[in-house]
Amino acid sequence: DTGVSQDPRHKITKRGQNVTFRCDPISEHNRLYWYRQTLGQGPEFLTYFQNEAQLEKSRLLSDRFSAERPKGSFSTLEIQRTEQGDSAMYLCASSPGQEDTEAFFGQGTRLTVV
Amino acid sequence: GENVEQHPSTLSVQEGDSAVIKCTYSDSASNYFPWYKQELGKGPQLIIDIRSNVGEKKDQRIAVTLNKTAKHFSLHITETQPEDSAVYFCAASRNTNAGKSTFGDGTTLTVKP
Repeated sequence: DTGVSQDPRHKITKRGQNVTFRCDPISEHNRLYWYRQTLGQGPEFLTYFQNEAQLEKSRLLSDRFSAERPKGSFSTLEIQRTEQGDSAMYLCASSPGQEDTEAFFGQGTRLTVV
Repeated sequence: GENVEQHPSTLSVQEGDSAVIKCTYSDSASNYFPWYKQELGKGPQLIIDIRSNVGEKKDQRIAVTLNKTAKHFSLHITETQPEDSAVYFCAASRNTNAGKSTFGDGTTLTVKP
């Protein structure tokens, strides 16, 4: 297993377009997290899944954002009608889901909205 | 909600010197404190973590200390090397959901050869 995988690594889109990112967690990790990181700041929590259930959403996750994890394995994050303020690094992390276990981050998807 | 503050924002040291990064947190329910290293264009990588039932943890040249009463925790890197140059983030969360963390704003560490 090579860790958390994210695709694409980079995405440039025009304002108003929709984009979708994919995250493949470490095999058998039950929990999957999405974060957003803007330049010069730490990652900010967006949402997380326990298996296929989306258990928590941050207030940062506006109604233009939607995340899914249909079979409890990979996850997608979609942004509709992108705005310039959506430009950021979108990070995915996974953990086994038990207490006292760490989370592992992927390399991220860098989104640029022009 | 939780708030994590991290200082300094930039730190420059000579190779071989020590580096110290400090963080404070606000939520007394937080009991898991990971530290991440992030290199340019990459995701954060966990380098060490500490849980609230211990006051100090060490792994080779890296150590973390935790003062629960004061809600402070610190990262200490000894014998720094140029490859230690990166952005370091502290974070706070709960053992029950260690992946849902509140991060500090990072410290850019530069180790000069």
